[in-house]
Parts: sequence; C-alpha cells; structure tokens
Amino acid sequence: GAGVSQSPSNKVTEKGKDVELRCDPISGHTALYWYRQRLGQGLEFLIYFQGNSAPDKSGLPSDRFSAERTGESVSTLTIQRTQQEDSAVYLCASSFIGRGQPQHFGDGTRLSIL
Amino acid sequence: AQKVTQAQTEISVVEKEDVTLDCVYETRDTTYYLFWYKQPPSGELVFLIRRNSFDEQNEISGRYSWNFQKSTSSFNFTITASQVVDSAVYFCALIVRTGKLIFGQGTTLQVKP
Repeated sequence: GAGVSQSPSNKVTEKGKDVELRCDPISGHTALYWYRQRLGQGLEFLIYFQGNSAPDKSGLPSDRFSAERTGESVSTLTIQRTQQEDSAVYLCASSFIGRGQPQHFGDGTRLSIL
Repeated sequence: AQKVTQAQTEISVVEKEDVTLDCVYETRDTTYYLFWYKQPPSGELVFLIRRNSFDEQNEISGRYSWNFQKSTSSFNFTITASQVVDSAVYFCALIVRTGKLIFGQGTTLQVKP
C-alpha cells in the first residue's frame, strides 16, 4: 500500500513480557516518528529518526523502551518487561525531510498489557 | 517550552451548525509550523492543514477554514455547516526546531443528525 503500515494491529501480552512493534514508512520518506496515545489523550512523542542523523530519543519514557531503524526503511519499537501503564496505541508516522513537512500516520498498534 | 492547548474537551452540535475549535500555542521560537489533524472513530490520524509562522493568511478549503493569529498565538479551525461525518477528535499540533510534533489534548466533536 501507499501509506504507513504498522504491525501488529493489536497485541495483548502479559506483564513482564517483551514486545516488538513494527513500522513500514511511506517509500521515500526519510523521517520516521513514534508516538504513544493513551486512552482519551493526545499523542506523546517517543522517538524520531531523520535520515542518517542520530535519532532524537528525548521522548522515550524509560530505558525499557528502545527503537531501531535500518537505513530509511522499517523501524522497530521494542518495549522490554512491559508494565500495565504501557497499554496504549503506538502510532508511527513518516515524512519527507524538513520540519514543516506533514507527518503521515499509520493505523497504530493497540497494545494491551494484562 | 513549547505547548499546545485545546481548551475545549468536547463539543456537541447539531448537523448544519457552524463550529469553531480553538487552539492556543506557546513557543519562543520565531519559526514554527502549526498543524491540524482529524482522528475519526476508526482511529487513523488524517492530516488536514499546515501553516508556517510567517504566513498569517487565513485558509479556506470547502467547509473548513483556519484562522491563524500570531498576536494571540491562536490557530482556530472552523467547520461550516457541520455534518455527521465530521464527528471525530481533532488535534492541533506544533513543530519548532526539532521534527517532533507537540500535540494538544484534542477536542472531541460530536455532530448529531
């Protein structure tokens, strides 16, 4: 498809398990972002990859969260030792380089920690 | 610090009414971008508009219009003759020096038939 693709759509896991969320950006978009949206709330920035520059990790809430991106393609957000407060929708967005470029979002991964 | 405030948590209107969604932002940067996104019940975020800090010209797109006023740090969004399909959560967002979007808390708009 032409849009940002995220998988899985839904993930239910037990507290303490590790999870990996995947994002496939729009082809040609060199910037990629991860956000978290808790129920009924706005989006919180997590991490930002821009081309070959060092990622901006300033939004990661703890060292249990990490993300990787290979070149200008797929990104993986990993949450280790999940906690119930990690339950949220995790949204990925991509854009062309340039801070005024609109970010295009995927449908998100709904993560539920039991 | 940068911040976006959407003071209206929920708005309910009857179809065909006009409705304005308020957005107030804070930043010390002179160069920044403002955005509006729509999040319908299906969940996906849809980009609606971008405005840069040097362009205060208002914009109209069909039933949608945006009023950007730097003097009051506001970027309000008006839907004219609202329709049921406009029911969604609307987010205002800001970008300054880095690429990350700073979102407001969102306004839930319910348009009743």
